[in-house]
Amino acid sequence: QKEVEQDPGPLSVPEGAIVSLNCTYSNSAFQYFMWYRQYSRKGPELLMYTYSSGNKEDGRFTAQVDKSSKYISLFIRDSQPSDSATYLCAMSTLYDKVIFGPGTSLSVIP
Amino acid sequence: DADVTQTPRNRITKTGKRIMLECSQTKGHDRMYWYRQDPGLGLRLIYYSFDVKDINKGEISDGYSVSRQAQAKFSLSLESAIPNQTALYFCATSDLANQETQYFGPGTRLLVL
Repeated sequence: QKEVEQDPGPLSVPEGAIVSLNCTYSNSAFQYFMWYRQYSRKGPELLMYTYSSGNKEDGRFTAQVDKSSKYISLFIRDSQPSDSATYLCAMSTLYDKVIFGPGTSLSVIP
Repeated sequence: DADVTQTPRNRITKTGKRIMLECSQTKGHDRMYWYRQDPGLGLRLIYYSFDVKDINKGEISDGYSVSRQAQAKFSLSLESAIPNQTALYFCATSDLANQETQYFGPGTRLLVL
């Protein structure tokens, strides 16, 4: 079993839809949970970062962590064509290296 | 100017050739990383360095070597390239207090024939 699993998609939604992206993981020691966004032919960039369990909201984006289920989610409200990208979840323990999921490709159709 | 730069951006080479990918950063970060990205496999860590005197193997270090010439420079070498090293390579940096936030370069697209 991989440490971090993520549905690769591709996921295609109409503009304005609510998007749900998810990852599961096996290492219960993970404490830091991140979502990176990667546009085509670019390097990933950090979108959101959450410590331990709970929710975090930033504009149209909401990150949720459920440590009891080893499950994290990223919700995008009112999705825009500019949100079309690959979304990578990532996680780490304190002071250890970051483990990335394989990424989910998202297309938002105007 | 970009904070993390990589050279070259694209490279085609032949099996058995030695090749070096270079990474420079102006963020002043101590930690630097080399990843490769393959479709369906995501980002996999090759090597990482927490300071100039520290080098660590990552998940897939076989066939690769690195050199940390200075705080700002971290090079990745393929001693004898093989076709399954064809991939997109990324350099990244982070600081000691916030390793969860990694800053990535634009990537090097490598094709080994």
